[in-house]
Amino acid sequence: DTGVSQNPRHKITKRGQNVTFRCDPISEHNRLYWYRQTLGQGPEFLTYFQNEAQLEKSRLLSDRFSAERPKGSFSTLEIQRTEQGDSAMYLCASSLIADEQYFGPGTRLTVT
Amino acid sequence: RKEVEQDPGPFNVPEGATVAFNCTYSNSASQSFFWYRQDCRKEPKLLMSVYSSGNEDGRFTAQLNRASQYISLLIRDSKLSDSATYLCVVGGSNYKLTFGKGTLLTVNP
Repeated sequence: DTGVSQNPRHKITKRGQNVTFRCDPISEHNRLYWYRQTLGQGPEFLTYFQNEAQLEKSRLLSDRFSAERPKGSFSTLEIQRTEQGDSAMYLCASSLIADEQYFGPGTRLTVT
Repeated sequence: RKEVEQDPGPFNVPEGATVAFNCTYSNSASQSFFWYRQDCRKEPKLLMSVYSSGNEDGRFTAQLNRASQYISLLIRDSKLSDSATYLCVVGGSNYKLTFGKGTLLTVNP
């Protein structure tokens, strides 16, 4: 499968713990995006990389959130000191042609 | 006003029906437009890009009216497999996509 992959697919954690998610984009795609989706809502933009450069961050991305794409390939999203409000599906997408973004299966986070 | 607004739905239609989804967007500087489909507990999948000239892909037709800031999707001869949430999506100059809340479609036998 040459699509976008994300790991883990599911994560249950206790409030206050740190979690890290990984995204592997489609290999030739130079743009990588993170979104968050809660029940009944469309995905909301979090941040965007072009190669290894993080070019934009949403105001939704509080200082507890950090994302990296160190070699311009895979990316990680870390949430420190998780809160119950962080429970959501975290989606990664990649693109080559501007805006035609292809999504991974997501990581579903549950904070108890 | 929300950046992207869609019909709230849900829509329940019989097989073979024609169903139309409507969407408006608030940012006149938006540059790209899409419809995505999302199955329950799955990721969004690109259904089609939308152009001012309109575009058609089989049973699906998408239209864009920039002057009215309006996007539509028409599904003809609907199938059971068309049951999903349809997301109206708008892209800006920075490649960030803004999604509507989605409209749930259920096609009944």
